[in-house]
Amino acid sequence: AQSVTQPDIHITVSEGASLELRCNYSYGATPYLFWYVQSPGQGLQLLLKYFSGDTLVQGIKGFEAEFKRSQSSFNLRKPSVHWSDAAEYFCAALLSNDYKLSFGAGTTVTVRA
Amino acid sequence: ETGVTQTPRHLVMGMTNKKSLKCEQHLGHNAMYWYKQSAKKPLELMFVYSLEERVENNSVPSRFSPECPNSSHLFLHLHTLQPEDSALYLCASSQGPGQLNTEAFFGQGTRLTVV
Repeated sequence: AQSVTQPDIHITVSEGASLELRCNYSYGATPYLFWYVQSPGQGLQLLLKYFSGDTLVQGIKGFEAEFKRSQSSFNLRKPSVHWSDAAEYFCAALLSNDYKLSFGAGTTVTVRA
Repeated sequence: ETGVTQTPRHLVMGMTNKKSLKCEQHLGHNAMYWYKQSAKKPLELMFVYSLEERVENNSVPSRFSPECPNSSHLFLHLHTLQPEDSALYLCASSQGPGQLNTEAFFGQGTRLTVV
């Protein structure tokens, strides 16, 4: 079955520290991959996407993600977090010929001063 | 502002009420989606419409009834809901499969509380 897994439910980081959020997918073929962010009470905002090509993708707000086919992973990183990065982050996957965008369970990021 | 607008933002309804959620997209997309986001659960895809035709219906109870009158508008009609239906309902749109830039754009959601 197709699935997206985010192993970390909650991560706490200090402001200015680096952040890495893990995402693994299980699909028969390599899907398109996305990271979204959700602030409390808000909708989902797209941070970045991977369709093909360069395995290191840059997104908005200083985020980047690296696609690793051998590990079926698409981890999100930010070198230095800001207090405004506190939010919930969702990894998602979509097969190119499908409508069904599947989400991981999400990782809540708390930023401490 | 993502180009996808949902109204109302908040809704409280009794179990015997009938209400509707509205979604409008200004992105020229072909596909529109309803997702349900409950606490402690992954986002659940409820319905997908492509060019006003329903292409996905993920075993959603009949008390939820979608309507897509045109490619820019999507409704979710609600009747005789249960308290466990309380959730954030998210609308999204995309170009659809096989298209370049097929990422989904989401609205702000409607926070629904069933009392």
